[in-house]
Amino acid sequence: QSVLTQPPSVSGAPGQRVTISCTGSSSNIGAGFDVYWYQQFPGTAPKLLIYGNTHRPSGVPDRFSGSQSGASASLAITGLQAEDEAVYYCQSHDSSLSLLFGGGTKLTVL
Amino acid sequence: QVQLQQSGPGLVKPSETLSLTCSDSLRSTRTYSWSWIRHPAGKGLEWIGRMYRTTSPHYNPSLKGRVAMSFDTSKNQFSLRVMSVTAADTAVYYCARCDTYNYDTGSYYCEYWGQGTLVTVSS
Repeated sequence: QSVLTQPPSVSGAPGQRVTISCTGSSSNIGAGFDVYWYQQFPGTAPKLLIYGNTHRPSGVPDRFSGSQSGASASLAITGLQAEDEAVYYCQSHDSSLSLLFGGGTKLTVL
Repeated sequence: QVQLQQSGPGLVKPSETLSLTCSDSLRSTRTYSWSWIRHPAGKGLEWIGRMYRTTSPHYNPSLKGRVAMSFDTSKNQFSLRVMSVTAADTAVYYCARCDTYNYDTGSYYCEYWGQGTLVTVSS
């Protein structure tokens, strides 16, 4: 049972926009700890997609964007492409700076 | 480019100790911290712990007492030991180099990861 709650799955057709939510509490995201997002393909290590709630590392397409409000955060993907099919994880912290992950959301491109 | 190379056995017997090593080929600066994260099949990512080169590790409370991390500065290697393993410790284990984003809160992220090591606990 993850402390950060994500939907198990989302789906969308190519070209569409999808969002993945990440719900925390006043002990983590709501306490002001930043949210990060990772993309993971089968058999590979997670890749950093968003840091500091909204920032993209170099090389990450601007189709990916992050937002945060209160104790929740969201990852939006616009112009969905087949290559975006992966599992997405949100990450934040608690007051002890333990690293918290969401349970992961599998994105299916229809 | 940061390259993290993991090494260690892929099969450990129940009740024994799992040992993994992570080598940083580019000798990252001391400003970075290092984490171990594992991924059991069919489940989500689980953070095991984090440390800087010269500070005491910070462990996931759910694993505290069974986990030990260390950094060998002479070899630039980061190590993990998990004692008294059971089948529940079967997972892909990753080392990762982490960077602090928000110095007010201490919030950090892990941008560079090792290739992952599948560790199976079985007799």
